[in-house]
Amino acid sequence: AQTIHQWPVAEIKAVGSPLSLGCTIKGKSSPNLYWYWQATGGTLQQLFYSITVGQVESVVQLNLSASRPKDDQFILSTEKLLLSHSGFYLCAWSPGQKDTQYFGPGTRLLVL
Amino acid sequence: QQQVRQSPQSLTVWEGETAILNCSYEDSTFDYFPWYWQFPRESPALLIAIRPVSNKKEDGRFTIFFNKREKKLSLHITDSQPGDSATYFCAAIASSGSWQLIFGSGTQLTVMP
Repeated sequence: AQTIHQWPVAEIKAVGSPLSLGCTIKGKSSPNLYWYWQATGGTLQQLFYSITVGQVESVVQLNLSASRPKDDQFILSTEKLLLSHSGFYLCAWSPGQKDTQYFGPGTRLLVL
Repeated sequence: QQQVRQSPQSLTVWEGETAILNCSYEDSTFDYFPWYWQFPRESPALLIAIRPVSNKKEDGRFTIFFNKREKKLSLHITDSQPGDSATYFCAAIASSGSWQLIFGSGTQLTVMP
């Protein structure tokens, strides 16, 4: 069975500080990976997707970047956090193109 | 541009009643429609999904009705239980073109005991 792990569980960061969030999936080779952002009480907005190691496509610009250094790892980062970056960050995976996406447990971020 | 719309924003039903959640879309190339439910402080989980080859998909107490001509879907929850209280998201994606899974704004369902 596939398992998806996100780290950290939660973060409180200062405006202007850097950020790195991670996601690892086990039990599935060459998954498609996705990053989403959800404001409190809001909908889900897809940020990035990746279909293979080293390739990441941006869906929406939010002063964030993503990388896929390994087949099972997806990283979301920024050098300077904004207040608007606060929210719930979710990593998701799918077995193939346009298949059902399954979400990880998420990371809650509060920027002060 | 809101490509997937959901209504109502919030819905309250009594235990045992049928809850009806609505979803509509604009892009006729959308051909996969998953519904996710999300409990407070948890991540979304897939509830049920439909492809337009059929106009109905049933899974226990949960049924999707799909009207391709009108670009509308509805999720019916029969015999609603307090444990069904959650936010329900309708989503859509096209098998050709953009990789983006587009989510609606969600319907917050409360089932009163």
